[in-house]
Amino acid sequence: EDQVTQSPEALRLQEGESSSLNCSYTVSGLRGLFWYRQDPGKGPEFLFTLYSAGEEKEKERLKATLTKKESFLHITAPKPEDSATYLCAVLYRDDKIIFGKGTRLHILP
Amino acid sequence: EPEVTQTPSHQVTQMGQEVILRCVPISNHLYFYWYRQILGQKVEFLVSFYNNEISEKSEIFDDQFSVERPDGSNFTLKIRSTKLEDSAMYFCAIAPAAGNEQFFGPGTRLTVL
Repeated sequence: EDQVTQSPEALRLQEGESSSLNCSYTVSGLRGLFWYRQDPGKGPEFLFTLYSAGEEKEKERLKATLTKKESFLHITAPKPEDSATYLCAVLYRDDKIIFGKGTRLHILP
Repeated sequence: EPEVTQTPSHQVTQMGQEVILRCVPISNHLYFYWYRQILGQKVEFLVSFYNNEISEKSEIFDDQFSVERPDGSNFTLKIRSTKLEDSAMYFCAIAPAAGNEQFFGPGTRLTVL
């Protein structure tokens, strides 16, 4: 069965405490993997696209990496404003897309 | 980053009524998508639309749902006879090409009573 699993479901960190979020996937015909940030009551905000294993993308305190089975979103020295739900989505085959349930990240000041 | 607006921001309707949700992309992107997110659950793909045709749809997108671009700019999602379980946030998204990143609108909260 095609699926996307994100872990942990929730993560509380102290400001400045680096960590990683995981997105593992089992789909056939991966075409791309996307990371989004979602604030409560709002639409997902695009962060990164990764297309092939070994690819890495960086933006401010965030860095996304991709292997053949999973992707990581590394957050370095997070700030309270990084608190949000981080979503992973996988595009596969023709134009099918599956989202994970997300990781709720809370950064304590 | 492309902008997408959605109207209304909140729609309350009675079960069995028809609703039309609207999406207005502020760009010339060609690929359109609708998603829904039931409170506390994951974002679920409904349908993708390109060149005035549905290119992909999920099992959720049954005969009660339809999409169209009536005037070449607005992109609408119609639910013919709403059910209680249709209550959710509905997001429109646009992309410059298939397989590219999608940019989401702020969503319409649909409440079916």
